Amino acid sequence: DAGVTQSPTHLIKTRGQQVTLRCSPKSGHDTVSWYQQALGQGPQFIFQYYEEEERQRGNFPDRFSGHQFPNYSSELNVNALLLGDSALYLCASSFGLAVAYEQFFGPGTRLTVL
Amino acid sequence: QKEVEQDPGPLSVPEGAIVSLNCTYSNSAFQYFMWYRQYSRKGPELLMYTYSSGNKEDGRFTAQVDKSSKYISLFIRDSQPSDSATYLCAMSPSAGTGNQFYFGTGTSLTVIP
Repeated sequence: DAGVTQSPTHLIKTRGQQVTLRCSPKSGHDTVSWYQQALGQGPQFIFQYYEEEERQRGNFPDRFSGHQFPNYSSELNVNALLLGDSALYLCASSFGLAVAYEQFFGPGTRLTVL
Repeated sequence: QKEVEQDPGPLSVPEGAIVSLNCTYSNSAFQYFMWYRQYSRKGPELLMYTYSSGNKEDGRFTAQVDKSSKYISLFIRDSQPSDSATYLCAMSPSAGTGNQFYFGTGTSLTVIP
């Protein structure tokens, strides 16, 4: 049973560029949450998708957008990249919305913005 | 003031030692308390969760919650080199995931053989 998978593993972009990160949830899961983890910090919630809709959003600008597909996989898009967007981006999946203690995290995508 | 405070360490202990990791919080509405372990270049892995106050034990790990002091702890007995990782506390006022789910900054632990 595959866990949460994310691609790519890491990538390097320059300021002003756009990036798309991808996530496939654990088998049987239908909810995907995205987190940003800066170096030496805990993960910060970006947004959450369920039934192909954004259900909740953290304190992130509109440059951060996402999508969920019918197969429950998800994308995170970041436009007009800033140096401060450099971080580990984590995807977490769960079955439903009310299971804070049953989120499974993927290995993350490390984004470096130069 | 941050919602969750956690001493970043680093913490270095000899193999076999008892490790104590702690977090404090300010929001009295928090009811679900989680501990995650994160190895270098990996995603967080859930170790334990506790609902409301009290203790919970799982093998070498014990989680404690003191809601009156707004203080939670994770104890690791007979620590092993494989326990070397960053430990993150997380908490939420409800069972829901999302924007009410707060992480600490993590404590880096090294267990020396």
